[in-house]
Amino acid sequence: GAGVSQTPSNKVTEKGKYVELRCDPISGHTALYWYRQSLGQGPEFLIYFQGTGAADDSGLPNDRFFAVRPEGSVSTLKIQRTERGDSAVYLCASSLRLAGDRDTQYFGPGTRLTVL
Amino acid sequence: GDSVTQMEGPVTLSEEAFLTINCTYTATGYPSLFWYVQYPGEGLQLLLKATKADDKGSNKGFEATYRKETTSFHLEKGSVQVSDSAVYFCALTTSGTYKYIFGTGTRLKVLA
Repeated sequence: GAGVSQTPSNKVTEKGKYVELRCDPISGHTALYWYRQSLGQGPEFLIYFQGTGAADDSGLPNDRFFAVRPEGSVSTLKIQRTERGDSAVYLCASSLRLAGDRDTQYFGPGTRLTVL
Repeated sequence: GDSVTQMEGPVTLSEEAFLTINCTYTATGYPSLFWYVQYPGEGLQLLLKATKADDKGSNKGFEATYRKETTSFHLEKGSVQVSDSAVYFCALTTSGTYKYIFGTGTRLKVLA
Protein backbone atom coordinates (compact mmCIF):
# COMPACT_ATOMS: atom_id res chain seq x y z
CA GLY A 1 0.00 0.00 0.00
CA ALA A 2 0.93 3.64 -0.16
CA GLY A 3 3.44 4.95 2.30
CA VAL A 4 3.64 8.30 4.02
CA SER A 5 3.68 11.13 1.51
CA GLN A 6 4.86 14.68 2.00
CA THR A 7 4.45 17.78 -0.12
CA PRO A 8 6.21 19.73 -1.38
CA SER A 9 9.44 17.78 -1.64
CA ASN A 10 11.38 21.03 -1.74
CA LYS A 11 10.44 24.49 -0.57
CA VAL A 12 12.54 27.61 -0.95
CA THR A 13 11.33 30.73 0.79
CA GLU A 14 12.61 34.07 1.94
CA LYS A 15 13.28 35.06 5.51
CA GLY A 16 10.14 36.29 7.18
CA LYS A 17 7.70 34.41 4.97
CA TYR A 18 5.07 31.88 6.05
CA VAL A 19 5.22 28.24 4.90
CA GLU A 20 3.03 25.18 5.15
CA LEU A 21 4.28 21.62 4.87
CA ARG A 22 1.84 18.80 4.30
CA CYS A 23 1.90 15.17 5.43
CA ASP A 24 -0.41 12.38 4.31
CA PRO A 25 0.02 9.36 6.62
CA ILE A 26 -0.50 5.69 5.89
CA SER A 27 -4.20 4.94 5.76
CA GLY A 28 -5.48 3.71 9.12
CA HIS A 29 -2.54 5.01 11.14
CA THR A 30 -3.88 6.97 14.09
CA ALA A 31 -0.57 8.41 15.24
CA LEU A 32 1.37 11.05 13.33
CA TYR A 33 4.74 12.60 14.14
CA TRP A 34 6.81 15.47 12.85
CA TYR A 35 10.60 15.55 13.09
CA ARG A 36 13.23 17.98 11.89
CA GLN A 37 16.56 16.82 10.49
CA SER A 38 19.36 19.34 10.20
CA LEU A 39 22.34 18.66 7.99
CA GLY A 40 24.55 15.94 9.41
CA GLN A 41 22.23 15.24 12.32
CA GLY A 42 19.62 12.70 13.23
CA PRO A 43 15.95 13.61 13.20
CA GLU A 44 14.67 15.53 16.22
CA PHE A 45 11.13 15.21 17.49
CA LEU A 46 8.78 18.15 17.05
CA ILE A 47 5.19 17.06 17.72
CA TYR A 48 2.99 13.99 18.05
CA PHE A 49 -0.69 13.64 17.17
CA GLN A 50 -2.98 10.89 18.35
CA GLY A 51 -6.08 11.32 16.22
CA THR A 52 -6.90 14.98 15.84
CA GLY A 53 -5.22 16.25 18.98
CA ALA A 54 -1.62 17.17 19.60
CA ALA A 55 -0.69 14.81 22.43
CA ASP A 56 2.84 16.20 22.76
CA ASP A 57 4.18 19.38 21.20
CA SER A 58 7.17 19.69 23.48
CA GLY A 59 9.63 19.53 20.59
CA LEU A 60 8.35 22.61 18.78
CA PRO A 61 11.22 25.10 19.06
CA ASN A 62 9.10 28.24 19.54
CA ASP A 63 5.68 29.73 18.90
CA ARG A 64 6.43 30.35 15.23
CA PHE A 65 5.85 26.64 14.69
CA PHE A 66 2.37 25.17 14.72
CA ALA A 67 0.81 21.96 13.41
CA VAL A 68 -2.74 20.78 12.86
CA ARG A 69 -4.49 17.55 12.00
CA PRO A 70 -8.16 18.57 11.82
CA GLU A 71 -9.68 15.30 10.59
CA GLY A 72 -7.23 12.86 12.10
CA SER A 73 -5.51 12.09 8.82
CA VAL A 74 -3.58 14.73 6.88
CA SER A 75 -1.42 17.07 8.93
CA THR A 76 0.04 20.48 8.14
CA LEU A 77 3.10 21.94 9.79
CA LYS A 78 3.02 25.72 9.70
CA ILE A 79 5.99 27.99 10.20
CA GLN A 80 5.51 31.74 10.57
CA ARG A 81 8.16 34.42 10.02
CA THR A 82 10.69 31.90 8.80
CA GLU A 83 14.33 32.30 9.77
CA ARG A 84 17.46 30.97 8.10
CA GLY A 85 17.93 28.62 11.03
CA ASP A 86 14.67 26.88 10.11
CA SER A 87 16.35 25.42 7.02
CA ALA A 88 16.24 21.64 7.40
CA VAL A 89 14.47 18.53 6.19
CA TYR A 90 11.09 18.14 7.85
CA LEU A 91 10.06 14.53 8.24
CA CYS A 92 6.66 13.12 8.92
CA ALA A 93 6.01 9.63 10.27
CA SER A 94 2.92 7.63 11.13
CA SER A 95 2.17 4.53 13.14
CA LEU A 96 -0.71 2.32 14.23
CA ARG A 97 -0.09 3.15 17.87
CA LEU A 98 -1.63 -0.06 19.15
CA ALA A 99 -2.03 -0.36 22.89
CA GLY A 100 0.94 -2.10 24.45
CA ASP A 101 2.86 -2.25 21.18
CA ARG A 102 6.37 -0.95 20.90
CA ASP A 103 5.42 1.14 17.97
CA THR A 104 7.19 1.20 14.63
CA GLN A 105 7.08 4.55 12.89
CA TYR A 106 7.04 4.77 9.10
CA PHE A 107 8.65 7.83 7.61
CA GLY A 108 7.87 9.92 4.59
CA PRO A 109 10.53 11.21 2.18
CA GLY A 110 10.63 14.61 3.84
CA THR A 111 10.31 18.22 2.76
CA ARG A 112 13.57 20.09 2.33
CA LEU A 113 12.99 23.67 3.48
CA THR A 114 15.50 26.34 2.52
CA VAL A 115 15.12 29.82 3.95
CA LEU A 116 17.14 32.43 2.07
CA GLY B 1 17.59 12.46 29.39
CA ASP B 2 17.50 9.59 26.94
CA SER B 3 20.19 9.59 24.27
CA VAL B 4 21.81 7.55 21.52
CA THR B 5 25.47 7.65 20.58
CA GLN B 6 26.71 6.30 17.28
CA MET B 7 30.19 5.92 15.94
CA GLU B 8 31.17 8.74 13.67
CA GLY B 9 31.50 8.19 9.99
CA PRO B 10 32.10 8.01 7.26
CA VAL B 11 32.89 4.34 7.21
CA THR B 12 34.48 3.18 3.96
CA LEU B 13 34.70 -0.54 3.20
CA SER B 14 35.46 -2.74 0.27
CA GLU B 15 32.73 -4.99 -1.06
CA GLU B 16 32.35 -8.24 0.93
CA ALA B 17 34.02 -6.74 4.01
CA PHE B 18 32.56 -7.18 7.50
CA LEU B 19 30.61 -4.23 8.88
CA THR B 20 30.11 -3.07 12.44
CA ILE B 21 28.47 0.23 13.32
CA ASN B 22 28.48 0.87 17.04
CA CYS B 23 25.48 2.23 18.89
CA THR B 24 25.13 2.76 22.64
CA TYR B 25 22.23 4.30 24.49
CA THR B 26 21.16 5.89 27.74
CA ALA B 27 17.54 5.46 28.70
CA THR B 28 15.23 5.43 31.66
CA GLY B 29 13.04 2.36 31.68
CA TYR B 30 13.26 -0.32 29.03
CA PRO B 31 13.68 1.03 25.54
CA SER B 32 12.89 -0.48 22.19
CA LEU B 33 15.79 -0.12 19.80
CA PHE B 34 15.79 0.45 16.06
CA TRP B 35 18.09 0.78 13.11
CA TYR B 36 16.87 2.93 10.25
CA VAL B 37 18.61 3.34 6.89
CA GLN B 38 18.51 6.32 4.55
CA TYR B 39 19.58 5.56 0.99
CA PRO B 40 20.64 8.47 -1.21
CA GLY B 41 17.65 10.53 -2.22
CA GLU B 42 15.22 8.42 -0.20
CA GLY B 43 13.43 8.60 3.13
CA LEU B 44 14.18 6.75 6.35
CA GLN B 45 13.38 3.06 6.20
CA LEU B 46 13.18 0.69 9.12
CA LEU B 47 15.98 -1.85 8.84
CA LEU B 48 15.46 -3.87 12.02
CA LYS B 49 14.32 -3.56 15.61
CA ALA B 50 14.46 -5.26 19.00
CA THR B 51 12.04 -4.68 21.84
CA LYS B 52 13.64 -6.42 24.81
CA ALA B 53 16.99 -7.47 26.17
CA ASP B 54 18.81 -10.24 24.26
CA ASP B 55 16.46 -9.90 21.29
CA LYS B 56 18.19 -10.02 17.93
CA GLY B 57 16.77 -8.04 15.07
CA SER B 58 17.71 -9.06 11.54
CA ASN B 59 16.91 -8.06 7.99
CA LYS B 60 18.68 -8.10 4.61
CA GLY B 61 21.74 -9.75 6.13
CA PHE B 62 22.04 -7.11 8.86
CA GLU B 63 21.82 -8.07 12.53
CA ALA B 64 21.81 -6.27 15.86
CA THR B 65 21.46 -7.67 19.37
CA TYR B 66 19.93 -5.72 22.25
CA ARG B 67 22.57 -5.88 25.01
CA LYS B 68 21.20 -4.48 28.22
CA GLU B 69 24.38 -5.09 30.20
CA THR B 70 26.43 -2.93 27.86
CA THR B 71 23.53 -0.69 26.76
CA SER B 72 24.44 -1.36 23.15
CA PHE B 73 22.76 -2.26 19.86
CA HIS B 74 25.60 -2.60 17.37
CA LEU B 75 24.74 -3.18 13.72
CA GLU B 76 26.63 -5.92 11.87
CA LYS B 77 26.72 -7.45 8.44
CA GLY B 78 29.01 -10.23 7.34
CA SER B 79 29.55 -9.16 3.74
CA VAL B 80 28.59 -5.68 2.56
CA GLN B 81 27.61 -4.77 -0.96
CA VAL B 82 27.89 -1.52 -2.89
CA SER B 83 24.10 -1.22 -2.61
CA ASP B 84 24.45 -0.98 1.20
CA SER B 85 25.97 2.48 0.84
CA ALA B 86 23.68 4.73 2.87
CA VAL B 87 23.37 6.56 6.18
CA TYR B 88 22.43 4.38 9.14
CA PHE B 89 20.60 5.73 12.19
CA CYS B 90 20.23 4.07 15.56
CA ALA B 91 17.14 5.10 17.53
CA LEU B 92 15.24 4.30 20.70
CA THR B 93 11.84 4.81 22.20
CA THR B 94 10.86 4.07 25.76
CA SER B 95 7.68 2.72 27.27
CA GLY B 96 5.09 5.39 27.79
CA THR B 97 6.62 7.72 25.23
CA TYR B 98 6.25 7.86 21.49
CA LYS B 99 9.03 10.05 20.31
CA TYR B 100 12.06 8.45 18.80
CA ILE B 101 15.49 9.56 19.95
CA PHE B 102 17.95 9.25 17.09
CA GLY B 103 21.70 9.12 16.91
CA THR B 104 23.53 11.43 14.54
CA GLY B 105 23.82 8.79 11.83
CA THR B 106 26.77 6.92 10.32
CA ARG B 107 27.50 7.19 6.63
CA LEU B 108 28.64 3.94 5.03
CA LYS B 109 30.37 3.89 1.67
CA VAL B 110 31.09 0.54 0.06
CA LEU B 111 33.58 0.43 -2.79
CA ALA B 112 33.49 -2.15 -5.58
